[in-house]
Amino acid sequence: NAGVTQTPKFRVLKTGQSMTLLCAQDMNHEYMYWYRQDPGMGLRLIHYSVGEGTTAKGEVPDGYNVSRLKKQNFLLGLESAAPSQTSVYFCASTPNRKTEAFFGQGTRLTVV
Amino acid sequence: EDKVVQSPLSLVVHEGDTVTLNCSYEVTNFRSLLWYKQEKKAPTFLFMLTSSGIEKKSGRLSSILDKKELFSILNITATQTGDSAIYLCAVEAVNYGQNFVFGPGTRLSVLP
Repeated sequence: NAGVTQTPKFRVLKTGQSMTLLCAQDMNHEYMYWYRQDPGMGLRLIHYSVGEGTTAKGEVPDGYNVSRLKKQNFLLGLESAAPSQTSVYFCASTPNRKTEAFFGQGTRLTVV
Repeated sequence: EDKVVQSPLSLVVHEGDTVTLNCSYEVTNFRSLLWYKQEKKAPTFLFMLTSSGIEKKSGRLSSILDKKELFSILNITATQTGDSAIYLCAVEAVNYGQNFVFGPGTRLSVLP
């Protein structure tokens, strides 16, 4: 059972570089989310999707873009990375609004 | 603004102790409260609470919700070193269309 898989697991970027984080789930879930986790701040929602072809902004969307072209994949893009985007990024999915989220293993991103 | 507060933020106990972790919230249109355990990577689901006064139990862990006073507690009895983790509280809300508002977490360390 793969569940929710994130790639890559680690990445170091220089300021101004771009990258895409991939999240894939094999549970046929409708909802997918991208969070960032910073010390002392818990998980904060960046963007989310309620189905294929849809995306919406969360609490901290600035500097990020997302796409959900296929139901099983949710991509998070950084067009011009900044040191403030150094964080651990988690992807999660749920079948609907009323159940617990299943999380990926996280991506540790460092922007220097 | 929706918020979830957890206390204490950090706790150190010895094996065999009993601990109580607290989560209070101010959330628009509350639906449910969830507890997760985060060891090294992905948060894993523990409990979902939707009704006041009904205790959820799993082994040495139990949790209860008070919707009138807007808080929940997570109890762990006879703690073990394997209980060392960050415990996250999350509340389902509708602000920004966001599905879950997370607290900062309580870091529990259980010493042998």
